[in-house]
Amino acid sequence: KAGVTQTPRYLIKTRGQQVTLSCSPISGHRSVSWYQQTPGQGLQFLFEYFSETQRNKGNFPGRFSGRQFSNSRSEMNVSTLELGDSALYLCASSLDAGARGNTIYFGEGSWLTVV
Amino acid sequence: DQQVKQNSPSLSVQEGRISILNCDYTNSMFDYFLWYKKYPAEGPTFLISISSIKDKNEDGRFTVFLNKSAKHLSLHIVPSQPGDSAVYFCAASDGGTSYGKLTFGQGTILTVHP
Repeated sequence: KAGVTQTPRYLIKTRGQQVTLSCSPISGHRSVSWYQQTPGQGLQFLFEYFSETQRNKGNFPGRFSGRQFSNSRSEMNVSTLELGDSALYLCASSLDAGARGNTIYFGEGSWLTVV
Repeated sequence: DQQVKQNSPSLSVQEGRISILNCDYTNSMFDYFLWYKKYPAEGPTFLISISSIKDKNEDGRFTVFLNKSAKHLSLHIVPSQPGDSAVYFCAASDGGTSYGKLTFGQGTILTVHP
């Protein structure tokens, strides 16, 4: 079955602009979470959505936001981009991450470069 | 405050030998742990997980051991193969509705030499 799909894979934006990244979870998965990977900070949790509701949130500024649609697809948005937002953004899905033992599967990521 | 730590940035082993990757955590609320393998420019690939009610879980060449009292877990790969060369991340979650929030270690680069 198809894995977690993220689009676009690569993009370049200018400081001050905004960006929207998209994620399609594995079919049947209802939980979608987002992570940021940078060389300095490693893999950091952004937020998690379940049934269109944000269930968990990491320590990121309000410029980072997300949403989940009724078909479980998710988008994340970063407004007023800063150079430090350059990173690999990873989407992950699971059947229901609210239940112990549910494995979380990751997509290939979206590489964002802010210039 | 890094709640999940992988203190060895890199590990080099010979093909056929055992690879042991270590992970320590500080948050006693963590009760589910996962190991992921990652290549550059790709997403992490799930390897194996363990619940805090167990002390060992095996899947083929991969075995994860959990020592709750020491807040330590380790991933054993036997026998190691050159294709295992990648970055390995330990991750933890603390239950309830927070199983969707993983806290990752900084990763260990494993190199398996032919």
